[in-house]
Amino acid sequence: NAGVMQNPRHLVRRRGQEARLRCSPMKGHSHVYWYRQLPEEGLKFMVYLQKENIIDESGMPKERFSAEFPKEGPSILRIQQVVRGDSAAYFCASQDTRSYNEQFFGPGTRLTVL
Amino acid sequence: AQRVTQPEKLLSVFKGAPVELKCNYSYSGSPELFWYVQYSRQRLQLLLRHISRESIKGFTADLNKGETSFHLKKPFAQEEDSAMYYCALWGAQKLVFGQGTRLTINP
Repeated sequence: NAGVMQNPRHLVRRRGQEARLRCSPMKGHSHVYWYRQLPEEGLKFMVYLQKENIIDESGMPKERFSAEFPKEGPSILRIQQVVRGDSAAYFCASQDTRSYNEQFFGPGTRLTVL
Repeated sequence: AQRVTQPEKLLSVFKGAPVELKCNYSYSGSPELFWYVQYSRQRLQLLLRHISRESIKGFTADLNKGETSFHLKKPFAQEEDSAMYYCALWGAQKLVFGQGTRLTINP
């Protein structure tokens, strides 16, 4: 089991472009979480998804941000019309229903907006 | 609202000395608390959780509901303990993290 995979590891975008971040959960895990870490801060919850469903998106900005976890393929976090303030590390974590709330983290994607 | 506070951003101790990383929380329900660790160039991983009441790599953490604390302790620090440590609280189907403490063990 390769663990949670995220790609790309580093992403550079100019203001106004779109950023797409991908997350492949651990095999057999059906729960995916996205977190954002701004410089000098802890991880902040953004969204919780199960296959084809958004369970909780209370931590996600209302505009420009969206997330999906389709039946097939990775979970995608999309940021449209990026701004400098979106520069951060974005972490994905997956969880098994039976893992008693233990989350397994990916290596993160570091987004830099020029 | 759920909140986790780690008052120390940086903590530096000598090898062999005791270590205590502080964590305080705010939560209206029954808390479930974790410590996660991130070693250099590695991903975030679970160190321990309060319900297990176990010792991992010599670290222990006791939940003190009266003081709303979950401090992480180790009696004798080792150089390989140098890392970033995050305290986290599980509630409403998500983890809430503290800001993290960077622990440096000096030889």
